Amino acid sequence: DAGVIQSPRHEVTEMGQEVTLRCKPISGHDYLFWYRQTMMRGLELLIYFNNNVPIDDSGMPEDRFSAKMPNASFSTLKIQPSEPRDSAVYFCASSFRGPGWETQYFGPGTRLLVL
Amino acid sequence: EDQVTQSPEALRLQEGESSSLNCSYTVSGLRGLFWYRQDPGKGPEFLFTLYSAGEEKEKERLKATLTKKESFLHITAPKPEDSATYLCAVQALVAYKLSFGAGTTVTVRA
Repeated sequence: DAGVIQSPRHEVTEMGQEVTLRCKPISGHDYLFWYRQTMMRGLELLIYFNNNVPIDDSGMPEDRFSAKMPNASFSTLKIQPSEPRDSAVYFCASSFRGPGWETQYFGPGTRLLVL
Repeated sequence: EDQVTQSPEALRLQEGESSSLNCSYTVSGLRGLFWYRQDPGKGPEFLFTLYSAGEEKEKERLKATLTKKESFLHITAPKPEDSATYLCAVQALVAYKLSFGAGTTVTVRA
């Protein structure tokens, strides 16, 4: 299994630009999570999906952030417009509803720098 | 709100010097407590899930234990390759999301 795949791995952009982060969950997993990690706030859940439907988006910081999951194998997290305080590492994770279903498996992350 | 506090923030060990990391938590009904390992520049890697007080799990030089208010991750005779940040997270019965602690960064010197 390839694990959770994220792209791009690194992104440098200027303030005000749109940023799109992409995630492919592990095949067969029906939960997908987006997290953000910073030195100040640690690892925070932004939003999660079950069977492609957003379940809890209470962690999304502002309306500038949006996430979609058009099918079981793809999700995007979009920031528009981006701001320097959005600089962080963004992780995607997935899990499945079976034995050990609570366990989330993380991707390698996208390191975002907004100048 | 679920809260997870990890201590110490950083731990420097000599190779072979055993030690323990602490994870204190408050949650309204625990579904599971999770330990992850994170190497620099990588995503968290799953280690253990503990479900009830008294439960223990082991993997190589790591052993995780759980009480009603805290969990310990014991590192026995660590090696330099055990250097990483160890993250603790809790999942409540009423919610599926994980709440993470800030982590303990372990450095093992040869």
